[in-house]
Amino acid sequence: QVQLQESGPGLVKPSETLSLTCTVSGGSVNYYYWSWIRQHPEKGLEWIGYIYYNGNTYYNPSLKSRVTISVDTSRNHLSLEMYSVTAADTAVYFCARAPSAIPRAYFDSWGQGTLVTVSS
Amino acid sequence: DIQMTQSPSSLSASVGDRVTITCRASQNIDSYLNWYQQKPGKAPKLLIYGASSLQSGVPSRFRGSGSRTDFTLAISSLQPEDFATYYCQQSYSSPQTFGQGTKLEIK
Repeated sequence: QVQLQESGPGLVKPSETLSLTCTVSGGSVNYYYWSWIRQHPEKGLEWIGYIYYNGNTYYNPSLKSRVTISVDTSRNHLSLEMYSVTAADTAVYFCARAPSAIPRAYFDSWGQGTLVTVSS
Repeated sequence: DIQMTQSPSSLSASVGDRVTITCRASQNIDSYLNWYQQKPGKAPKLLIYGASSLQSGVPSRFRGSGSRTDFTLAISSLQPEDFATYYCQQSYSSPQTFGQGTKLEIK
């Protein structure tokens, strides 16, 4: 069974770059769509963007100017970079797998999530 | 963006009860609606995809229905492990969006 594990700094300073990695084990990144999703404290879920294993990406327009998602098929992991962060980017960040793109893009596997706090 | 509105925002029920949660989309999304269950400190878990298809391993007491703009998640005979927060998500168009959640609590 596939497992996803997010990793990265739990504290980032305002205006700096948030960098996270999602390591996939028990399965391959190939032929799936991989998303980053975040959840602000005590709030709902916000989809950040996805990457296909071939490198094609699609971002939420609300975050597109500040986000880059990449995939390394040789290392079986994906990455998220979010630039110029503010306190509003404090959230739990999840990576998640979808077996296909929209409109059939349901998330069937998730990482446990990692809390990122933006603070000086 | 397509707005997803869930009702109620919270719900109290007892073990053995049947409950329903509603999700309404701001425009037609056909049947591209998914349901997730989230427990505190955990990741969401997929329950239903395509409005009514039960994800593998999910108990049959969970049932999804609806199409176009109105959808329902029904849980028959609540079990103690069902008390959690439930989210709907549309995958009809990007950006994919979620409802605000329905917190199911023990009465």
